[in-house]
Amino acid sequence: GIQVEQSPPDLILQEGANSTLRCNFSDSVNNLQWFHQNPWGQLINLFYIPSGTKQNGRLSATTVATERYSLLYISSSQTTDSGVYFCAVGQYGGSQGNLIFGKGTKLSVKP
Amino acid sequence: GAGVSQSPRYKVTKRGQDVALRCDPISGHVSLYWYRQALGQGPEFLTYFNYEAQQDKSGLPNDRFSAERPEGSISTLTIQRTEQRDSAMYRCASNHHREASQETQYFGPGTRLLVL
Repeated sequence: GIQVEQSPPDLILQEGANSTLRCNFSDSVNNLQWFHQNPWGQLINLFYIPSGTKQNGRLSATTVATERYSLLYISSSQTTDSGVYFCAVGQYGGSQGNLIFGKGTKLSVKP
Repeated sequence: GAGVSQSPRYKVTKRGQDVALRCDPISGHVSLYWYRQALGQGPEFLTYFNYEAQQDKSGLPNDRFSAERPEGSISTLTIQRTEQRDSAMYRCASNHHREASQETQYFGPGTRLLVL
């Protein structure tokens, strides 16, 4: 099955710093989502981005589907950005409805 | 409108007991998914439904796990004869489209299950 690898596994930032999180996947996909799991365990949708670039405030994401990777950019990080960031992918057709998640990047933003 | 809701939010049970976890998807959403998340890992797929039909149950770990969605809305995940290794966060998600790959899946808050 498709493999999803996220890097780095852990990241510690000072408040105000910028960061880039990467997601590599091993096969063609037609769904790619980024999630933020906050310290209370909630899984929050950030982007649905199977291709192209999107921006939402301090966050932006880019997926290059032909090269099988996606990047999540966090600018001017805040302590509330702390948590685990997951990339998840889905594939076409048939009964394949599920998302396959990476292991996540754990981000800690220090004041 | 309201998001995906799950109940209970926390469940502590003794080994050997049966548990039923409930998911109420976003109104009008066709597809409903169950995932299980161990500590320090990403969610892993268990099963999914389009309307009331179970489309894929390949992720259910064994026959103690079952799920239903009889009226195409609320779904129940049942674990019979629970074991300690079943302890995890159980997450439900839904989306509007039959083809899950074509749009965002929205996740509920999860049920944290602890089997003693």
